[in-house]
Amino acid sequence: GAGVSQSPSNKVTEKGKDVELRCDPISGHTALYWYRQSLGQGLEFLIYFQGNSAPDKSGLPSDRFSAERTGGSVSTLTIQRTQQEDSAVYLCASSLAQGSSPLHFGNGTRLTVT
Amino acid sequence: QKEVEQNSGPLSVPEGAIASLNCTYSDRGSQSFFWYRQYSGKSPELIMFIYSNGDKEDGRFTAQLNKASQYVSLLIRDSQPSDSATYLCAGDTGRRALTFGSGTRLQVQP
Repeated sequence: GAGVSQSPSNKVTEKGKDVELRCDPISGHTALYWYRQSLGQGLEFLIYFQGNSAPDKSGLPSDRFSAERTGGSVSTLTIQRTQQEDSAVYLCASSLAQGSSPLHFGNGTRLTVT
Repeated sequence: QKEVEQNSGPLSVPEGAIASLNCTYSDRGSQSFFWYRQYSGKSPELIMFIYSNGDKEDGRFTAQLNKASQYVSLLIRDSQPSDSATYLCAGDTGRRALTFGSGTRLQVQP
């Protein structure tokens, strides 16, 4: 596709359940980012992948959060034992390279933990 | 101190006026800056990027960068109601991923 694709667009889950969020970046983009945005707030950095380098996990809020990127393309963000404070929009973005290249965002996954 | 700071607003301007959005950053080593527009319920979309000191113009938008003062701004000329949105400033603050400010909400009054 032409843009960053995220699925599902909406996810409602019960507290304590695990969820997986998927991101398919723009073809040819080597950098992939996950951000989180709570209602009315700014973007909170979660994790960053660049090519075959070790990911920058410095933004993950707890060990319940993990992400992987398979084959340098599709990425999955996993949240285990979800809590109500995990409710937010999870945004994925990709870029040609790190740092100076603009990010292109997907439409996000709205996660609601009940 | 936050790495990228913005006034949350709202900034209210009348239709046709110039809207001035400001952003400061703490890392003197930052080289690249981006302005994104985010409509309510939508994902951010890139408006402009700027790497060099001075002004960069694109249509009704002008980005200004002053590295000595660690200051980035976005001017929107002839503001339209459709420009009403939250504007996010982002910079490469030494982390490998861009750091975003919390955004400034702009309201253009018809």
